[in-house]
Amino acid sequence: ETGVTQTPRHLVMGMTNKKSLKCEQHLGHNAMYWYKQSAKKPLELMFVYNFKEQTENNSVPSRFSPECPNSSHLFLHLHTLQPEDSALYLCASSLVRTGNEKLFFGSGTQLSVL
Amino acid sequence: AQKITQTQPGMFVQEKEAVTLDCTYDTSDQSYGLFWYKQPSSGEMIFLIYQGSYDEQNATEGRYSLNFQKARKSANLVISASQLGDSAMYFCAMREGENDSNYQLIWGAGTKLIIKP
Repeated sequence: ETGVTQTPRHLVMGMTNKKSLKCEQHLGHNAMYWYKQSAKKPLELMFVYNFKEQTENNSVPSRFSPECPNSSHLFLHLHTLQPEDSALYLCASSLVRTGNEKLFFGSGTQLSVL
Repeated sequence: AQKITQTQPGMFVQEKEAVTLDCTYDTSDQSYGLFWYKQPSSGEMIFLIYQGSYDEQNATEGRYSLNFQKARKSANLVISASQLGDSAMYFCAMREGENDSNYQLIWGAGTKLIIKP
């Protein structure tokens, strides 16, 4: 248990559906992240929020929409996804201070787009 | 060019033997940090060990140590006395620069380690 909780653990959705992934951390961290992990590819950073402000958006398609209402919660809203969006979506958090902070990850949401 | 290279896609190791997982990196920055994470089948990434580029000694955390060879740009993970629970994917990652607002970790493709009883 790392202190980062993601729900749901598994999600199957059609291309016309709208769904949301949720992430919650109770570690007192000030930064939260969404990563995408596809088979046989390195982790891809999607979004970063620092003190609720989005500081990174790595050219992610607009069908992915993040939301960070407070420093403990992070959402990823999904709509009109494509089959190639099927992947493990990992949330992480950290306490940003000196640059060597480790990330604490959730267990991820395994997303399948049909 | 890849910034983080893990040349071993998979490894089988006998229980209780030591394991070395390779990681080479490419950066022109003088200040950077190197991380190793473990990902068991449950999915979550677990931090194992960190090495800063200015750290003179190799990092150690329990059974984990990092063989840091700066001139060769390698940061191999060594697991002593492997256990069945060590079976997992292992990822090497790097953060470049001194700017503490640089949130980007550059990740390797990972090595799948299987410990045989």
